[in-house]
Amino acid sequence: GAGVSQSPRYKVAKRGQDVALRCDPISGHVSLFWYQQALGQGPEFLTYFQNEAQLDKSGLPSDRFFAERPEGSVSTLKIQRTQQEDSAVYLCASSLAGGRPNSPLHFGNGTRLTVT
Amino acid sequence: KNQVEQSPQSLIILEGKNCTLQCNYTVSPFSNLRWYKQDTGRGPVSLTIMTFSENTKSNGRYTATLDADTKQSSLHITASQLSDSASYICVVSVGNNDMRFGAGTRLTVKP
Repeated sequence: GAGVSQSPRYKVAKRGQDVALRCDPISGHVSLFWYQQALGQGPEFLTYFQNEAQLDKSGLPSDRFFAERPEGSVSTLKIQRTQQEDSAVYLCASSLAGGRPNSPLHFGNGTRLTVT
Repeated sequence: KNQVEQSPQSLIILEGKNCTLQCNYTVSPFSNLRWYKQDTGRGPVSLTIMTFSENTKSNGRYTATLDADTKQSSLHITASQLSDSASYICVVSVGNNDMRFGAGTRLTVKP
């Protein structure tokens, strides 16, 4: 069965460029999360969607980061005017959740963003 | 200060040996605790989940323990294999969708 799919797998951007990262969650999963993972660190929460509603965006580091999930399925994380400190792996995860606290997160393999 | 602390930061063991990874947390209230395995270049995959009332749970060669009083969990790996080389991340859930991640323990199993 299809898991969480993220694209592109790798992205190199020049400082100042805009990037868009895509996440295809598991079909039927209500909850969708974006995380940022620096090398050797655990994932850091960025934002959370329940269906199309962005219920928590407290982890977004600046207003250059924007996420959407307009139809409650595919999500896009956009980073404007990229900076070198944005270089990281961006992980997307989905779960059935929405009231099921023991639902596991299913992660994609991430997009490795390198800003030069 | 991270609310989920893992130790050691990294660990190297020989194939066939056992090892134990630690997770201490200060998160409250507590909903559940999961251990995830993250292979290099991949997303984390859930190994075990423990709720407040559970003390021990096994998944093959992986055994997780939880002491909710002292807010400590451990992941014990028995008879390690080369494929166990990965990062192991402890994740504590506060509520339905509020999860706190540890920084992980990087395990290397050598032949």
